[in-house]
Amino acid sequence: GQQVMQIPQYQHVQEGEDFTTYCNSSTTLSNIQWYKQRPGGHPVFLIQLVKSGEVKKQKRLTFQFGEAKKNSSLHITATQTTDVGTYFCAPLSTDSWGKLQFGAGTQVVVTP
Amino acid sequence: NAGVTQTPKFQVLKTGQSMTLQCAQDMNHNSMYWYRQDPGMGLRLIYYSASEGTTDKGEVPNGYNVSRLNKREFSLRLESAAPSQTSVYFCASSEAGKNSPLHFGNGTRLTVT
Repeated sequence: GQQVMQIPQYQHVQEGEDFTTYCNSSTTLSNIQWYKQRPGGHPVFLIQLVKSGEVKKQKRLTFQFGEAKKNSSLHITATQTTDVGTYFCAPLSTDSWGKLQFGAGTQVVVTP
Repeated sequence: NAGVTQTPKFQVLKTGQSMTLQCAQDMNHNSMYWYRQDPGMGLRLIYYSASEGTTDKGEVPNGYNVSRLNKREFSLRLESAAPSQTSVYFCASSEAGKNSPLHFGNGTRLTVT
């Protein structure tokens, strides 16, 4: 079955600094979605990547899909306290429909 | 629009008791899902329903049953609750197709003692 690894599991960031979280799959992916969950909240969809090598930006967030479509990354620049939460990748493999499985997430803590 | 509505928000059960978690969406979505979330393990898919009238097992279906009552509603039933089922349960919905983002409800926090 599909193995999804998300690293790091925890990320402590000083406000203003940059950081990156990675999502790695053992199988080729059809697409990948990213979600953010604030403490005590529910996951909220951020972005979807479909094409090999695709790069999408949302303000200070940059999402990238690997050339081989087996990994993805989320880079946040100039971290703010509003970035606190857990970021999940949700890859969809080429041989499964509907079974959107989530990575374990990267929990981000921002210190002022 | 309310989006995805889950009830109840909190529930405490004793081992062996049964209960049904309710979920309804008002976005006319075809697909619905049940996930559980445990610390350090992300979201794990319990069951999903690609469309009205169909249901399929996810990663962790044991101990659960589901019913896709109609297009709007997808319920999750615990027939005999166990402490291992203590978790936060999220219902989600999406339009049909691989490229559809999930819309989540606010979750049900379940404790089994």
